[in-house]
Amino acid sequence: AQSVTQLDSHVSVSEGTPVLLRCNYSSSYSPSLFWYVQHPNKGLQLLLKYTSAATLVKGINGFEAEFKKSETSFHLTKPSAHMSDAAEYFCVVRLANTGNQFYFGTGTSLTVIP
Amino acid sequence: KAGVTQTPRYLIKTRGQQVTLSCSPISGHRSVSWYQQTPGQGLQFLFEYFSETQRNKGNFPGRFSGRQFSNSRSEMNVSTLELGDSALYLCASSLERLVGPDTQYFGPGTRLTVL
Repeated sequence: AQSVTQLDSHVSVSEGTPVLLRCNYSSSYSPSLFWYVQHPNKGLQLLLKYTSAATLVKGINGFEAEFKKSETSFHLTKPSAHMSDAAEYFCVVRLANTGNQFYFGTGTSLTVIP
Repeated sequence: KAGVTQTPRYLIKTRGQQVTLSCSPISGHRSVSWYQQTPGQGLQFLFEYFSETQRNKGNFPGRFSGRQFSNSRSEMNVSTLELGDSALYLCASSLERLVGPDTQYFGPGTRLTVL
């Protein structure tokens, strides 16, 4: 069973316009949720994580994500895209009922058009 | 604090050979996970080590193995290399706190090319 689904494999936005990268998870338990970014030929960098303290999570570089339990979603947003945001983004869920293993989405490639 | 380091960064091998990749976690981190990343399959979990014991294992053949040392450094080994093993191998470490969600921190990866 798919634990995390990234709904778009590719997203293209113009510089200065909002970014929305969608992620849905499936879990009967309260999950830990993360967003990572990967620039070409680099490792993964943590953008933000959901810690259950607040449903709106702010991360680095102006990104934020909102945990919506009723929709089992954890979408990543940014008000204004920058050229440097062009990268691959991964939504990750950690499930306590599976030995705390991390499950990665298939990734969303973000293109920013000048 | 130094991040996760992986050596070597690039490696070229031929089919049938074996390879060993190394990962040094962030100081104090006790869990190390390995992932394979390819354009076709995306990020796939290989295995996780904690306190020198394999705690989780992905769906990879027995040619892929790993170990963790008492200082938390980890190595993964791939024997009898196949062309399809060409990939970016990523290592990630986490603190394994007792309370609250943990976070994985990734190294830059080792790019393995099998010819």
